[in-house]
Amino acid sequence: DAGVTQSPTHLIKTRGQQVTLRCSPKSGHDTVSWYQQALGQGPQFIFQYYEEEERQRGNFPDRFSGHQFPNYSSELNVNALLLGDSALYLCASRRGGAENQPQHFGDGTRLSIL
Amino acid sequence: GESVGLHLPTLSVQEGDNSIINCAYSNSASDYFIWYKQESGKGPQFIIDIRSNMDKRQGQRVTVLLNKTVKHLSLQIAATQPGDSAVYFCAENGDDYKLSFGAGTTVTVRA
Repeated sequence: DAGVTQSPTHLIKTRGQQVTLRCSPKSGHDTVSWYQQALGQGPQFIFQYYEEEERQRGNFPDRFSGHQFPNYSSELNVNALLLGDSALYLCASRRGGAENQPQHFGDGTRLSIL
Repeated sequence: GESVGLHLPTLSVQEGDNSIINCAYSNSASDYFIWYKQESGKGPQFIIDIRSNMDKRQGQRVTVLLNKTVKHLSLQIAATQPGDSAVYFCAENGDDYKLSFGAGTTVTVRA
């Protein structure tokens, strides 16, 4: 049973560029959330997707956008990259429609901005 | 606003001893809490969860205690092993959609 998978594992970009990160949820999960984890900090919620729509958003600018596909996989897009966007980007999935289900995380994409 | 925090950023424990990691939360409306373990280069790994209608839950070598009166959560690890060395996060589910994490406690197991 495959867990949450993310690609790529590492990425290097320069300021002003755009990036797309990808996530496949755990089998049986239909809800995908994205988190940003700066070095030495806990993950910070970016947004969550369910039924191909953004259901809730954290305190992140519009440069951060996402998408969910019919097969429940998801993409995170970041435009006009800033040095401060360097972080580990984590995807988490869970079963929607049921309360209090744990989110399961992938191993993340390490994004470095030069 | 809601916040989740851990009392100590680091914990050093002798192999074989029990570990206790503490966490305080501020949102009294939170109804679901999760402990995660994060090893270097990996994503957070689910350890155990607890709902607000419980005050204790046990797993394999781990116990989570919830004290809603003082808004405090703890994770106890029995007979700590070298493989338990990691960063531990408590997370709060204040609503159905997102988790709020603290900064984490780094646990180092001494041989």
